[in-house]
Amino acid sequence: EPEVTQTPSHQVTQMGQEVILRCVPISNHLYFYWYRQILGQKVEFLVSFYNNEISEKSEIFDDQFSVERPDGSNFTLKIRSTKLEDSAMYFCASSLILTGETDTQYFGPGTRLTVL
Amino acid sequence: AQSVTQLGSHVSVSEGALVLLRCNYSSSVPPYLFWYVQYPNQGLQLLLKYTTGATLVKGINGFEAEFKKSETSFHLTKPSAHMSDAAEYFCAVTSSGGYQKVTFGTGTKLQVIP
Repeated sequence: EPEVTQTPSHQVTQMGQEVILRCVPISNHLYFYWYRQILGQKVEFLVSFYNNEISEKSEIFDDQFSVERPDGSNFTLKIRSTKLEDSAMYFCASSLILTGETDTQYFGPGTRLTVL
Repeated sequence: AQSVTQLGSHVSVSEGALVLLRCNYSSSVPPYLFWYVQYPNQGLQLLLKYTTGATLVKGINGFEAEFKKSETSFHLTKPSAHMSDAAEYFCAVTSSGGYQKVTFGTGTKLQVIP
């Protein structure tokens, strides 16, 4: 069964450093998402991406964050200058949305980001 | 705006007992509802979903949930708990019509006692 994959599974970085989290969505999916889950808290929406553009972003997704689909398979989340509070599990998701329909978002296993 | 409330951040049941995890939603438009499960140190796995049609939906691992519009609820049940059901369960909502972000509840950790 196709699945969303994410790399790395765990990333440790120093405060102020840039990190890039990578995701490979399910191949025929058209919408891509990033969510995060701070330890002990609920999963929060960050951003959605369709047709090489951001469709929606939350208030969390400030100028420190950016997303990109650099090629036909990868979807990346970049944090330019990490802060301690960016430490969280980051989930990538993808969905295949038919016209007028809402489809299930399939989540990857997550990347645990630890900022020291 | 949409939201989800999960009653009980921790639920303990005995092995073989009924599992009931509660979820109430708020939505100004017809909701699409989901239950996801997260095993320790793993990602989110879809258990089941309600979009339209039959209000009782069956998912994987023997779980099911019933959409009750009048009660704005989507409780998750399983007749007989198994040790392997110990995990965190998230109720989530989105709305119909093209792309929509998923809004998650705060999660319920299920403990199964032997």
